[in-house]
Amino acid sequence: GNSVTQMEGPVTLSEEAFLTINCTYTATGYPSLFWYVQYPGEGLQLLLKATKADDKGSNKGFEATYRKETTSFHLEKGSVQVSDSAVYFCALSDQSGGYNKLIFGAGTRLAVHP
Amino acid sequence: EPEVTQTPSHQVTQMGQEVILRCVPISNHLYFYWYRQILGQKVEFLVSFYNNEISEKSEIFDDQFSVERPDGSNFTLKIRSTKLEDSAMYFCATKPAVSHYEQYFGPGTRLTVT
Repeated sequence: GNSVTQMEGPVTLSEEAFLTINCTYTATGYPSLFWYVQYPGEGLQLLLKATKADDKGSNKGFEATYRKETTSFHLEKGSVQVSDSAVYFCALSDQSGGYNKLIFGAGTRLAVHP
Repeated sequence: EPEVTQTPSHQVTQMGQEVILRCVPISNHLYFYWYRQILGQKVEFLVSFYNNEISEKSEIFDDQFSVERPDGSNFTLKIRSTKLEDSAMYFCATKPAVSHYEQYFGPGTRLTVT
């Protein structure tokens, strides 16, 4: 079945460091890919998305490119801030059932220190 | 901006009791989902709902779970006889159309079963 694998955390960085969180997926067909962010004590917020191969999703300085050849959707940010501390979830839209449920990775906790 | 709301934000219940978690979708949305997140774990799909019917459910969604949209606005998740392992954060998500990529998540209900 479809699945998402994320790098394990926690990831601890200093402010202004470069961030990469790896995400790979297994899917039949051509799923849409997403990054969601969960700040402490809050729900899930969509950070960015990409709906087809070679699309680049971007938002708030974060970017991820849909790479079909490597089945990857790695999240990057050039300079992280303390306010980016959160849990980041990679997800795909499973189209096999027709109603596009989301399949999430395990989440990667990011801690940014001043 | 319209948003999905959920009540209560936190529910504490004793094992064996019934609980009902409520979600108010964004007004023109037609597709509804429940997900859960056990503390520290990944977000897992429970069920999708469209046109007053369950369209897909996961293995987690057994006979103890049910969903309905009783009054055309609220979308509810009922757990008939709660178990300790039902303790989790439950998220409602909605979207306007099957072809729409993004699901909009509510803030979640934290269920604690004692």
